[in-house]
Amino acid sequence: NAGVTQTPKFQVLKTGQSMTLQCAQDMNHEYMSWYRQDPGMGLRLIHYSVGAGITDQGEVPNGYNVSRSTTEDFPLRLLSAAPSQTSVYFCASSYTQGQRFGYGYTFGSGTRLTVV
Amino acid sequence: LAKTTQPISMDSYEGQEVNITCSHNNIATNDYITWYQQFPSQGPRFIIQGYKTKVTNEVASLFIPADRKSSTLSLPRVSLSDTAVYYCLVGRMDSSYKLIFGSGTRLLVRP
Repeated sequence: NAGVTQTPKFQVLKTGQSMTLQCAQDMNHEYMSWYRQDPGMGLRLIHYSVGAGITDQGEVPNGYNVSRSTTEDFPLRLLSAAPSQTSVYFCASSYTQGQRFGYGYTFGSGTRLTVV
Repeated sequence: LAKTTQPISMDSYEGQEVNITCSHNNIATNDYITWYQQFPSQGPRFIIQGYKTKVTNEVASLFIPADRKSSTLSLPRVSLSDTAVYYCLVGRMDSSYKLIFGSGTRLLVRP
């Protein structure tokens, strides 16, 4: 099925460890982004990309790195995990320039990360 | 980016129509209005998008007055499964990569 796939669904890390959250989409969307959602809060934009080779920072980029080598994949790297990064992470994708009206973003099902 | 203001929470009963209003006083000429729905432990899901007047799809209707400083999401005859958080977002179609989510409106539908 077409959509946004995130792996893993759950992860526990120790403080200081690094890891990569994977995100892949098969809809040929130019735009991809990462959000984090803390309990009872809205989503906050971490990083985004408007196409392969292009990335930029969102609202809360510190402690995270991204790269976009292909249209399909947009991994999020935690460099040195901290308890403050305990959250649910969502990846999203959409069309950009000449965006198709009425489609919006497609979100993945999320990765629930706990840093102890 | 236009800032949006929504009620924090709303209560309703099954079978009622629910209207959630979003205020966006500084909306720009090129901005569109988009609503998302989020269930617990799931990513947000696109509901409806509009620019002016009224838009309707199989899920909801979106009413936008002429001055576009507010919009109302209308959910007809809600059921328990409509209990969710609803987000109103405003942004340009060609720069929506900076789409910022607020806290949303928590809708609770009671039996």
